[in-house]
Amino acid sequence: NAGVTQTPKFQVLKTGQSMTLQCAQDMNHEYMSWYRQDPGMGLRLIHYSVGAGITDQGEVPNGYNVSRSTTEDFPLRLLSAAPSQTSVYFCASSRRADRVETQYFGPGTRLLVL
Amino acid sequence: GENVEQHPSTLSVQEGDSAVIKCTYSDSASNYFPWYKQELGKRPQLIIDIRSNVGEKKDQRIAVTLNKTAKHFSLHITETQPEDSAVYFCAARGGDSSYKLIFGSGTRLLVRP
Repeated sequence: NAGVTQTPKFQVLKTGQSMTLQCAQDMNHEYMSWYRQDPGMGLRLIHYSVGAGITDQGEVPNGYNVSRSTTEDFPLRLLSAAPSQTSVYFCASSRRADRVETQYFGPGTRLLVL
Repeated sequence: GENVEQHPSTLSVQEGDSAVIKCTYSDSASNYFPWYKQELGKRPQLIIDIRSNVGEKKDQRIAVTLNKTAKHFSLHITETQPEDSAVYFCAARGGDSSYKLIFGSGTRLLVRP
């Protein structure tokens, strides 16, 4: 198993541009989530999904959209990038949504918005 | 919603000494408390976790304690080694109706040789 994969590893955007951060897992995990990590602020939950077709907001959802059309993929979309969205983005997944399970993180995407 | 506070933000210990990191949470219905270790430039990785029906859990040099009444939990690392140097995050998952795992702000641990 490849586990949780993320692409790209690094991206530079200009203010106002849009892009999609990709996340995929091959472990048939129900639960997937997106976090952003800023210095001194830990990991903050952006959006999460408990299964295909079901998504919900986390702590900091503004400026981001998600969808879950398949169990494997959970892309994060930035519609109009802002410098405040400069961060490292981590995708994570766990086997079950209805029970507490170990959450596995992807390698991260480093995003710089100019 | 759940709020997790973590202290200290930085911790420096001599190799061989113990390190303790503390977290408090706000949601009394929270039932799962993992700890993650993140090395520079790497992804967070689970090192130990505890569920609300357990007061203490150990795994070699690492232990976690949970005080549900006081709503706090702690990570204890004994006989620290230079490779323990990293950022450590605590987290808490809300009650049965919550699917959110909320993280503390992290503790940078430096183990001096």
